[in-house]
Amino acid sequence: KNEVEQSPQNLTAQEGEFITINCSYSVGISALHWLQQHPGGGIVSLFMLSSGKKKHGRLIATINIQEKHSSLHITASHPRDSAVYICAVSSVDGGTSYGKLTFGQGTILTVHP
Amino acid sequence: EPEVTQTPSHQVTQMGQEVILRCVPISNHLYFYWYRQILGQKVEFLVSFYNNEISEKSEIFDDQFSVERPDGSNFTLKIRSTKLEDSAMYFCASSVRPGSYNEQFFGPGTRLTVL
Repeated sequence: KNEVEQSPQNLTAQEGEFITINCSYSVGISALHWLQQHPGGGIVSLFMLSSGKKKHGRLIATINIQEKHSSLHITASHPRDSAVYICAVSSVDGGTSYGKLTFGQGTILTVHP
Repeated sequence: EPEVTQTPSHQVTQMGQEVILRCVPISNHLYFYWYRQILGQKVEFLVSFYNNEISEKSEIFDDQFSVERPDGSNFTLKIRSTKLEDSAMYFCASSVRPGSYNEQFFGPGTRLTVL
């Protein structure tokens, strides 16, 4: 069973700051997903990655497979980035992977103007 | 842009009643999921569905739960006899193909409140 841990649980930043959210998992994975959950509850997929680094606008996601660790970075943070950021992994079970996601507990990000 | 839709957005029911939560996945997607999130807790996997059958289910998905794709567009989650602990946000998701390396697209969720 894969365990997914995120840190920090809560993060407060001033507008413009560089933000890093970390995610660690315990067993091998096929892919890692970064998701954003808005105050209303809806979930949006930000990134899916299995190696290296991806960038989309001000968001950057990296993954280190050997260390079982991923980071989500937000450059030049803005109040509209305030949300819950969730790391989730899809594991490989006995060589077959069906795509189910195991989620971290989420990081609550608040960016003040 | 295509999106996953869910109805209703909020469902209130009495304990012991049956509820059906509905989802319309993105039209060319073939793999469907239900997840739930109890208030203040992690999102949890319930079930995945492909080719008109369950691919995988969690321990949570017991005999009280069932899923169905009654037509070419809807994907439903039925809870036969609701319990207080079924109160949660239920998310439907879909992906183009089965397997782990495929992006999942989530619906906005249905908030189920069991009284």
